[in-house]
Amino acid sequence: RKEVEQDPGPFNVPEGATVAFNCTYSNSASQSFFWYRQDCRKEPKLLMSVYSSGNEDGRFTAQLNRASQYISLLIRDSKLSDSATYLCVVNMGNYGQNFVFGPGTRLSVLP
Amino acid sequence: DAGVIQSPRHEVTEMGQEVTLRCKPISGHDYLFWYRQTMMRGLELLIYFNNNVPIDDSGMPEDRFSAKMPNASFSTLKIQPSEPRDSAVYFCASSSSEASGLGTEAFFGQGTRLTVV
Repeated sequence: RKEVEQDPGPFNVPEGATVAFNCTYSNSASQSFFWYRQDCRKEPKLLMSVYSSGNEDGRFTAQLNRASQYISLLIRDSKLSDSATYLCVVNMGNYGQNFVFGPGTRLSVLP
Repeated sequence: DAGVIQSPRHEVTEMGQEVTLRCKPISGHDYLFWYRQTMMRGLELLIYFNNNVPIDDSGMPEDRFSAKMPNASFSTLKIQPSEPRDSAVYFCASSSSEASGLGTEAFFGQGTRLTVV
């Protein structure tokens, strides 16, 4: 089993749709979690951190379920500019930082 | 802050040649990571440093790959000799453990696109 798993997609959705991505991780001792966004031929950039209580940033909502070891990202009212690859990232370092990236889920928002 | 700076942005080299990729992390960050990204394998961690010391190099594919961090503001990833299958985008990232007990996110450079022909 891979350390961080995601559905690679692609997810093709119309503008205005709501879309959800899930991610599972293998290390139950993982300490912190993130969603990154990567545009074509660009570097990954932080979209949002994921907190135990769940957190929201505008149209984006992230949830963490430690018992089931999965993380979710919900995008509401999707825009054309949301088209990108979304990477689930788990810090598996026990005493430091060891960022493990999922394979990414590709999203295309269509007009 | 200028962010993580990598050079060169693009590198085309012939098989068998030595390739050196360079990275300057964000000032004050104590962690530095080297990743490789390909379509087939996604983003793979090659090696990471803490306070200039290599912590985990288990992702380094072969002895042809080596990485150094002589000081807090500079790191290199060297491939010698290079092979066509090394063609990929190589990213450097840095992070800080000081922001909280759990650390902050990793900030990425723009990457070096390596093509070995």
